[in-house]
Amino acid sequence: QKEVEQDPGPLSVPEGAIVSLNCTYSNSAFQYFMWYRQYSRKGPELLMYTYSSGNKEDGRFTAQVDKSSKYISLFIRDSQPSDSATYLCAPRITGRRALTFGSGTRLQVQP
Amino acid sequence: DGGITQSPKYLFRKEGQNVTLSCEQNLNHDAMYWYRQDPGQGLRLIYYSQIVNDFQKGDIAEGYSVSREKKESFPLTVTSAQKNPTAFYLCASSTTGQGNQPQHFGDGTRLSIL
Repeated sequence: QKEVEQDPGPLSVPEGAIVSLNCTYSNSAFQYFMWYRQYSRKGPELLMYTYSSGNKEDGRFTAQVDKSSKYISLFIRDSQPSDSATYLCAPRITGRRALTFGSGTRLQVQP
Repeated sequence: DGGITQSPKYLFRKEGQNVTLSCEQNLNHDAMYWYRQDPGQGLRLIYYSQIVNDFQKGDIAEGYSVSREKKESFPLTVTSAQKNPTAFYLCASSTTGQGNQPQHFGDGTRLSIL
């Protein structure tokens, strides 16, 4: 079993829709939860991160962590065509330098 | 502008050949990383370094080698022992210390076999 599971998509939505991207994980030692966005042929860029359980909001983006069910979500409100990219969740254990990446979900926002 | 520069953008390797991928950062970060990205598999850690002249193997280090002679530079050599080198290679860097230190990525090198 992979430590982090993510539906590869593609997920296709109309412009303006609310998007929900999700990951599940198996290692209860994960404490930091990162979301990266990766455009085609580019490196991942950090969108936001949360520590432990709870919500964090940044503009149109909300990250949510439910440690009891080992479930991570990223919500995008008012989605735009420029949001079309692959979204990678990446949890991390405190004290472990490296990240563990999900396989990424490809999102397509149709104008 | 601070950032991570990877070169070349595209690289072709012949059978039995070693190739070296360059990664330079001007973010003054202590830690640097190399990941490999294959379709449908996300990113996997090859090597990382937390300080100059020191580095550790990641999950898939076989067939790869690195050096860290300068803080700014962390080149990756894909040796002929790596039998399936075709992939997208990503270099990242971060600060070290307490709390979360997010990793920042370069724009990758795409390696293919001739």
